[in-house]
Amino acid sequence: EVQLVESGGGLIQPGGSLRLSCAASGFSVRSDNMHWVRQAPGKGLEWLALIYTDDRPQYADSVKGRFTISRDDSKNSAFLQMNSLRTEDTAVYYCARDTPGLRDDFDSWGQGTLVTVSS
Amino acid sequence: DIVMTQSPDSLAVSLGERATINCKSSQSVLYSSNNKNYLAWYQQKPGQPPKVLIYWASTRESGVPDRFSGSGSGTDFTLTISSLQAEDAAVYYCQQYYSIPRTFGQGTKVEVK
Repeated sequence: EVQLVESGGGLIQPGGSLRLSCAASGFSVRSDNMHWVRQAPGKGLEWLALIYTDDRPQYADSVKGRFTISRDDSKNSAFLQMNSLRTEDTAVYYCARDTPGLRDDFDSWGQGTLVTVSS
Repeated sequence: DIVMTQSPDSLAVSLGERATINCKSSQSVLYSSNNKNYLAWYQQKPGQPPKVLIYWASTRESGVPDRFSGSGSGTDFTLTISSLQAEDAAVYYCQQYYSIPRTFGQGTKVEVK
């Protein structure tokens, strides 16, 4: 069974940094493109970042230069390093994977980890 | 960036009645080389992550009840719930996966009247 479990969220002051983790089971993160998506309280879904199977990253403009997506095959995990955090970064952060094969929708999501940026 | 716009923002439907959600993309998400629309629909219930219902605009994900259907092509798409059940109360999102960034619509909240 495919499972994604995020961790690393919490309360952080503006300007601070956090590193989110997404532990995968039931598949190899090396085999599929991995994404991070966030949802501010009471708001919709915002795509943030993608790491392709060849390790190329892509970012939304809202986080480019501040967030870095990565992967560690030995831990079978994906990560999101978040720097220079702002109050508007407060959200639940989900990791998700591209459906294997030719589909590029997201067939698996984690339960999310809450990041609160506040002084 | 491709902007996805859903309508309405919310709707209330009686049990057993039809619910229709529209999604419009700012540019076509139809890939001409394979004639596929790079459009998915997700359902999100409170406190849960989204769940994919429909991909390629009209293909139902395995295990999704057949009362859910997707239609449309190019820039205009529709998600239809043919006979609303209580468990269908949720927020529904469309998403294009034609290009980066992978943008979502703003969501449509479906409630039972």
